[in-house]
Amino acid sequence: NAGVTQTPKFRVLKTGQSMTLLCAQDMNHEYMYWYRQDPGMGLRLIHYSVGEGTTAKGEVPDGYNVSRLKKQNFLLGLESAAPSQTSVYFCARILRLAGGVGEQFFGPGTRLTVL
Amino acid sequence: AQKVTQAQTEISVVEKEDVTLDCVYETRDTTYYLFWYKQPPSGELVFLIRRNSFDEQNEISGRYSWNFQKSTSSFNFTITASQVVDSAVYFCAPSPANQAGTALIFGKGTTLSVSS
Repeated sequence: NAGVTQTPKFRVLKTGQSMTLLCAQDMNHEYMYWYRQDPGMGLRLIHYSVGEGTTAKGEVPDGYNVSRLKKQNFLLGLESAAPSQTSVYFCARILRLAGGVGEQFFGPGTRLTVL
Repeated sequence: AQKVTQAQTEISVVEKEDVTLDCVYETRDTTYYLFWYKQPPSGELVFLIRRNSFDEQNEISGRYSWNFQKSTSSFNFTITASQVVDSAVYFCAPSPANQAGTALIFGKGTTLSVSS
């Protein structure tokens, strides 16, 4: 257990529906991330947060919004789901070491299908 | 701009063979970190190793070893005496040290299949 939980594990949506993915960490890490993974691809960064109340865009932010109201939780929202958002979504937290970057710990993933 | 290349899409070996996974990271940054992650068929991402760009000393940990050469931007990962349980997708994932958020940049991955 990497100390990161994701809810839900699976979800099927119809085009145009909205939903929120929840990521929760049981540590006190500042940095949290949302990635998506498509077949044959590595993970791509959607949004990230460097602390409570702060978020920033990653490589593929369009169609998503995020919020970090509490340090432990990082929410990813889809306002109007599209089939192109069918993917596996991973949340991660990172331990930022003094003078360096520690490893990222990933949640188990959420498999989302948009019909 | 940074670019991560894992040229090997798929590798198949027989158990007990040694296998090397290649990764090339092209960047103008002088300071960065390099990670390898494993994704078994169950889907979770498992951290394997972390190195920084200042340390080119090769290391061995059990059946794993890695070879980092900054001059050629290569960060290769070797599994000695492979086992069926090593079957997974392996990702090379650099992280620029000075980038806001310090997110990982993932390669497309190499699928390793180990048969008995």
